[in-house]
Amino acid sequence: GAVVSQHPSWVICKSGTSVKIECRSLDFQATTMFWYRQFPKQSLMLMATSNEGSKATYEQGVEKDKFLINHASLTLSTLTVTSAHPEDSSFYICSAGSKYSPLHFGNGTRLTVT
Amino acid sequence: EDQVTQSPEALRLQEGESSSLNCSYTVSGLRGLFWYRQDPGKGPEFLFTLYSAGEEKEKERLKATLTKKESFLHITAPKPEDSATYLCAVQAIGNEKLTFGTGTRLTIIP
Repeated sequence: GAVVSQHPSWVICKSGTSVKIECRSLDFQATTMFWYRQFPKQSLMLMATSNEGSKATYEQGVEKDKFLINHASLTLSTLTVTSAHPEDSSFYICSAGSKYSPLHFGNGTRLTVT
Repeated sequence: EDQVTQSPEALRLQEGESSSLNCSYTVSGLRGLFWYRQDPGKGPEFLFTLYSAGEEKEKERLKATLTKKESFLHITAPKPEDSATYLCAVQAIGNEKLTFGTGTRLTIIP
């Protein structure tokens, strides 16, 4: 089946630094990638939708200057958490899909900001 | 606004004890209803997509069904390895976004 690779799987950073998370579709071209955030024992909350070659669309309440998304190719999207703070600590998950395939998810990135 | 409600929040079953998980939804126009399995610390794993009322899909001990208002995930004779959180999501026509429910945390006791 379709594989989505997310890297890193976990990261610890100091408050004020930036962290980049990569999401790759390994065996298909993903015209659209989605970034989610998940708090413990809660469901996935969509943060933004990124389309290859265009600006990301952010959900209401998500700061686009804080969560920078780049979708430079049909197989790679990146999420950069800028000037991270402890409240940004969470589980970030990407998903990728195309018009005719169900969305497949990466294995997530556990971000801890100290 | 699309909404998905899953019940129960948590379910504990003895090994071999069959049961069903519920997903109620409201959506402007349903393109597809998705079931995923999520293990702790992992991303969701795709299980099924259902597109129209009356449709059923099976995979091993799992069977998903769909009506115009809800979907059920039936688990038959579950094993401990079926323990996970099961997530339901809907996708509206003309929109690639998924709207997720909060999931059912299933625990199968040996």
